[in-house]
Amino acid sequence: DTGVSQDPRHKITKRGQNVTFRCDPISEHNRLYWYRQTLGQGPEFLTYFQNEAQLEKSRLLSDRFSAERPKGSFSTLEIQRTEQGDSAMYLCASSRQIQETQYFGPGTRLLVL
Amino acid sequence: DAKTTQPPSMDCAEGRAANLPCNHSTISGNEYVYWYRQIHSQGPQYIIHGLKNNETNEMASLIITEDRKSSTLILPHATLRDTAVYYCIVLLVIGSGNTGKLIFGQGTTLQVKP
Repeated sequence: DTGVSQDPRHKITKRGQNVTFRCDPISEHNRLYWYRQTLGQGPEFLTYFQNEAQLEKSRLLSDRFSAERPKGSFSTLEIQRTEQGDSAMYLCASSRQIQETQYFGPGTRLLVL
Repeated sequence: DAKTTQPPSMDCAEGRAANLPCNHSTISGNEYVYWYRQIHSQGPQYIIHGLKNNETNEMASLIITEDRKSSTLILPHATLRDTAVYYCIVLLVIGSGNTGKLIFGQGTTLQVKP
């Protein structure tokens, strides 16, 4: 399968714990995006990378959130001191630099108790 | 805010064509119209996109009005597996300052009925 993959698919954690999600984009895709989707809403943009550089962050991305993309390949999204309001589906997408169609992964569903 | 307006829900009989409308009256000349769909609990799936000409692929057809202020996604023979939320998005892909981020609205929930 050469699509976008995300790990884990589901995560249950207690409030105050740290969690980390991983996204593996389609090979040779330079751009990688993170979105968050809460129940009944469309996905909302969080941040994006072009190669290893993080070029934009949404105001939704509080100081407790950090994303990295070392070496311009896979990316991680870490949430520190999780809150119940962080419960959501976290989606990753990737695209080529010139051909802008984004392809999404299956998402990581986070539940904070 | 999303730059598109879609009806919140639609029904379609299985085997019939599903026509999903989208208004994007403020679209600019260098913005594409993209359609994605999201089946329950899955990531969004790319369907089709276009600039000003009508487009067709193996999944659907996209009809864009001449003034580009609205478009229609056509699923020619809807099946039960096409039941999903369909999102219409305008995206700047030409020009400076292009981040490529997608701004999703509420979408249209399409229910295909047997």
